[in-house]
Amino acid sequence: DTEVTQTPKHLVMGMTNKKSLKCEQHMGHRAMYWYKQKAKKPPELMFVYSYEKLSINESVPSRFSPECPNSSLLNLHLHALQPEDSALYLCATSGQGKDTQYFGPGTRLTVL
Amino acid sequence: AQSVTQLGSHVSVSEGALVLLRCNYSSSVPPYLFWYVQYPNQGLQLLLKYTSAATLVKGINGFEAEFKKSETSFHLTKPSAHMSDAAEYFCAVSTASKLTFGTGTRLQVTL
Repeated sequence: DTEVTQTPKHLVMGMTNKKSLKCEQHMGHRAMYWYKQKAKKPPELMFVYSYEKLSINESVPSRFSPECPNSSLLNLHLHALQPEDSALYLCATSGQGKDTQYFGPGTRLTVL
Repeated sequence: AQSVTQLGSHVSVSEGALVLLRCNYSSSVPPYLFWYVQYPNQGLQLLLKYTSAATLVKGINGFEAEFKKSETSFHLTKPSAHMSDAAEYFCAVSTASKLTFGTGTRLQVTL
């Protein structure tokens, strides 16, 4: 059983739409991450939240807007995306420092 | 900067044969090293991790890896491959708050 859940599992959106991805964890972790993964590539880090504050933004375009409303939830708000943003979006959580990261099942996003 | 290199983007083995997936790391400090497995359209699942305790690390599904500082390696092995092992495998090294992944190795298991 995974303790990191992501919704929705699949999402198709147009370039003018606004949508959100949701991640929820019940592991008591205080660090949460968003990754983007293109086909046949490793995950690329987008954002890191530590104790509900944004600590790392890997120069991600502003059409991606993260939010951490509490220690269990992490959202990724999407607006005016491009077709090249189509990918698998993964959420992960960990304790602090170099602790193991645990991944959710991902959201498969398709931008038309 | 820390990095990992996975030799071989694709490895094919017969069912029942030894699995060996190679990972070499570069790190200026004692590293934390991980192996993750990813099945199609799924997230990453932790197989095992090295955090400076025992150099031989046992993981799930019969996999193990040995940390060799002299060779800067952390190769993943399994004595006998099963069809269900077919997946993408990622080696990763951890710095504070960041995982750096290798490019991945796709394992194919044939009858």
